[in-house]
Amino acid sequence: EVVLTQSPGTLSLSPGERATLSCRASQSVESRFLTWYQQKPGQAPRLIIYSASSRATGIPDRFSGSVSGTDFTLTISRLEPEDFAVYYCQQYIPSFSGYTFGQGTKLEVK
Amino acid sequence: QVQLQESGPGLVKPSGTLSLSCAVSGAFIGTNDYYSWVRQPPGKGLDWIGQIHLSDGNTNYCPSLQSRVAISIDKSKNQLSLQLTSVTAADTAVYYCARHSGFSFPTWGQGTLVTVSS
Repeated sequence: EVVLTQSPGTLSLSPGERATLSCRASQSVESRFLTWYQQKPGQAPRLIIYSASSRATGIPDRFSGSVSGTDFTLTISRLEPEDFAVYYCQQYIPSFSGYTFGQGTKLEVK
Repeated sequence: QVQLQESGPGLVKPSGTLSLSCAVSGAFIGTNDYYSWVRQPPGKGLDWIGQIHLSDGNTNYCPSLQSRVAISIDKSKNQLSLQLTSVTAADTAVYYCARHSGFSFPTWGQGTLVTVSS
């Protein structure tokens, strides 16, 4: 079973600070299969980063994604008030042609 | 711009069948697109249910749900359907349909809450 483990579970920061969110895959993952979403209460998820490091349309450049081995990172360089939300990573799994999500990281105002 | 709209009963009895539709507007079903269903239990994370390839109707499902789930398309109505049988309280969730682009989901419906209860 392929598992995505996100850390930390909750991240408490202030506007203007830098946020670093981690997503670790239990098996080797091609970068093009890794996606990040943002979800606010009562809303559908919103695509932020695809292929591990490519920003989706309309996403500000304070959001960036990177990868080192099986460790994927979402960085928000300078937090804006609208960035506080839950973030999920998602992986495509070729072995069953499907997807799995991490459990999410809640980014909250300190 | 593609828009998705889920609909269906908000309440399903235990052991019954959950049936939802996802209306697609702004795009004609029949292109080489993939669509998925994703659910989110109240206060919890996202769970991928399955996907369908619109051009040939080929489906793939989450292994843990494979025996109970079916995703189909109705090209005449430009909509997708989800059926989940033998539901229990654990199937209570907000259900989303989503359109793929590559291996990510840029377009989502607003979601519909389905509660399993007698």
